[in-house]
Amino acid sequence: SQQGEEDPQALSIQEGENATMNCSYKTSINNLQWYRQNSGRGLVHLILIRSNEREKHSGRLRVTLDTSKKSSSLLITASRAADTASYFCATDAGGGSYIPTFGRGTSLIVHP
Amino acid sequence: SAVISQKPSRDICQRGTSLTIQCQVDSQVTMMFWYRQQPGQSLTLIATANQGSEATYESGFVIDKFPISRPNLTFSTLTVSNMSPEDSSIYLCSASDRGQPQHFGDGTRLSIL
Repeated sequence: SQQGEEDPQALSIQEGENATMNCSYKTSINNLQWYRQNSGRGLVHLILIRSNEREKHSGRLRVTLDTSKKSSSLLITASRAADTASYFCATDAGGGSYIPTFGRGTSLIVHP
Repeated sequence: SAVISQKPSRDICQRGTSLTIQCQVDSQVTMMFWYRQQPGQSLTLIATANQGSEATYESGFVIDKFPISRPNLTFSTLTVSNMSPEDSSIYLCSASDRGQPQHFGDGTRLSIL
């Protein structure tokens, strides 16, 4: 099974700035998902983008998908201290497989 | 979206013992999964819990060590057997329908002495 790789591994910004995280993967997919994990908690689903979609928005979140480059980005605009968390992308193996595997994550710290 | 209740939330166990973790979903779901996560690391899929049949294990995980039950579409258990300090980790349950987002419990923090 493939695994997405997030970049950067760690990101530290000031409140109000934008945060961009990237995810690269190796093989074709059905879906790509982004999750957030606060310390000591389970993962919370943010956005699912299908392989035939190029961009999705949800509030201050914007996700893009470039299947030709096998990459995705998550943009958090006007960040807040409460956005401090780890962010993971998850990809499936395409075809009939919808079981996602997770990357190593990006640790985001937003300073008030 | 589905709500996942996982328990216990944490435990400290003696080596050689076993612990069963329970995962309850508030609605019927097609797929349930068990993951392991070391602090600050990614999630590693242990197995897919199949309703009414044996779980599907990922490479490196075996049924004797991690027996899984799924008696119906809303409940699953994971047992960590004959524990050693290397089994100290966070164990996460998730649930989803095919091709849909996964919903996670808050995890079980397991420490083995």
